[in-house]
Amino acid sequence: GAGVSQSPSNKVTEKGKDVELRCDPISGHTALYWYRQSLGQGLEFLIYFQGNSAPDKSGLPSDRFSAERTGGSVSTLTIQRTQQEDSAVYLCASSLAGTGVAGNTIYFGEGSWLTVV
Amino acid sequence: GENVEQHPSTLSVQEGDSAVIKCTYSDSASNYFPWYKQELGKRPQLIIDIRSNVGEKKDQRIAVTLNKTAKHFSLHITETQPEDSAVYFCAFTGGGNKLTFGTGTQLKVEL
Repeated sequence: GAGVSQSPSNKVTEKGKDVELRCDPISGHTALYWYRQSLGQGLEFLIYFQGNSAPDKSGLPSDRFSAERTGGSVSTLTIQRTQQEDSAVYLCASSLAGTGVAGNTIYFGEGSWLTVV
Repeated sequence: GENVEQHPSTLSVQEGDSAVIKCTYSDSASNYFPWYKQELGKRPQLIIDIRSNVGEKKDQRIAVTLNKTAKHFSLHITETQPEDSAVYFCAFTGGGNKLTFGTGTQLKVEL
């Protein structure tokens, strides 16, 4: 596709419910990232996928959070038993390869705005 | 782990003046240093980046400098315009290609 696509763009959910956020990276991009941004705050790293390598899950805040990437393309971030503090924008990004590789930059999607009430 | 400090957190300048934002990082193995601009309610967008084999890079009114010895890099915006008003994030790549972001600088360009 032309850019990183995320869905839903907005989600309001009740506390305790599970949510799934989807990311469709730029075609051909092997690296995929999830970040979280609370209102007025910085970008908090959650998880990073690179090709067939084991994902870097070091940023996931709790075991309620999980992510998978099927077929090396689309990724789903799942938050179980949502809490009010999970309310944030969840940003997905992709790059042609890891950012350590010369010439590769990461591009962000528009984000999924999650509100837990 | 990777750590980056970004200063200042807010910056107000008059139109036409220059703005400088500085970041200090901890991982000496870092080799990629991008800067992102985020307008209110929008996605972060890359404005300039630099790699560790280069000390300075310029693109029109925007420049980035890197001092690997001191482990800091800076964003310079000259002849600021109202449309430059946004939040700017520095970032760097440490081990494993994970991109770590600074806490952001709210830049306001006043007429």
